[in-house]
Amino acid sequence: KQEVTQIPAALSVPEGENLVLNCSFTDSAIYNLQWFRQDPGKGLTSLLLIQSSQREQTSGRLNASLDKSSGRSTLYIAASQPGDSATYLCARSLQGAQKLVFGQGTRLTINP
Amino acid sequence: EAQVTQNPRYLITVTGKKLTVTCSQNMNHEYMSWYRQDPGLGLRQIYYSMNVEVTDKGDVPEGYKVSRKEKRNFPLILESPSPNQTSLYFCASSFEGTGDYEQYFGPGTRLTVT
Repeated sequence: KQEVTQIPAALSVPEGENLVLNCSFTDSAIYNLQWFRQDPGKGLTSLLLIQSSQREQTSGRLNASLDKSSGRSTLYIAASQPGDSATYLCARSLQGAQKLVFGQGTRLTINP
Repeated sequence: EAQVTQNPRYLITVTGKKLTVTCSQNMNHEYMSWYRQDPGLGLRQIYYSMNVEVTDKGDVPEGYKVSRKEKRNFPLILESPSPNQTSLYFCASSFEGTGDYEQYFGPGTRLTVT
């Protein structure tokens, strides 16, 4: 079964800290991996997408890495802010990228 | 503004009463999908479409139908809704672009079946 696992399920840190969210997947034949942000009761906002040929992508304070051999991706958030509080989801797709398989998400709380 | 829209955003209905949730995108994307999100189960794909008149099942297609008669629209049809279809539904679209197929999601439709 092609599963995606995110640990921890919840994380609470004080404002200003750098943090890492983890995502692991069981199938190394990955097409791309995408990180999303979901605010309560809202839709998903795409943060970063890493193609299988890439090792990392950066956007502002966010950096996502991909290690296909170990089946892992990490999302690094620098200098966290209360506005970063949300649930972060990773999703991987296989060939053709038509089907995303999501992790359960990490609920992040940044305390002022 | 480039976006994926869904209607209705909230719907409460009764068991067995047919309903349709509409999804429309204005980005000329070839690919569209439907997902449902449930506590403890996360997001799961229901159906997807690679282009007009081309659809295929995702992980949880039972109890749902879809159609893709126009490129911009991908409605989700529940012929006979049941309480276990109470969920938060998301439509998404994507295109090949630079080969990455980045997915864009709609705002969600919260469905309650009593």
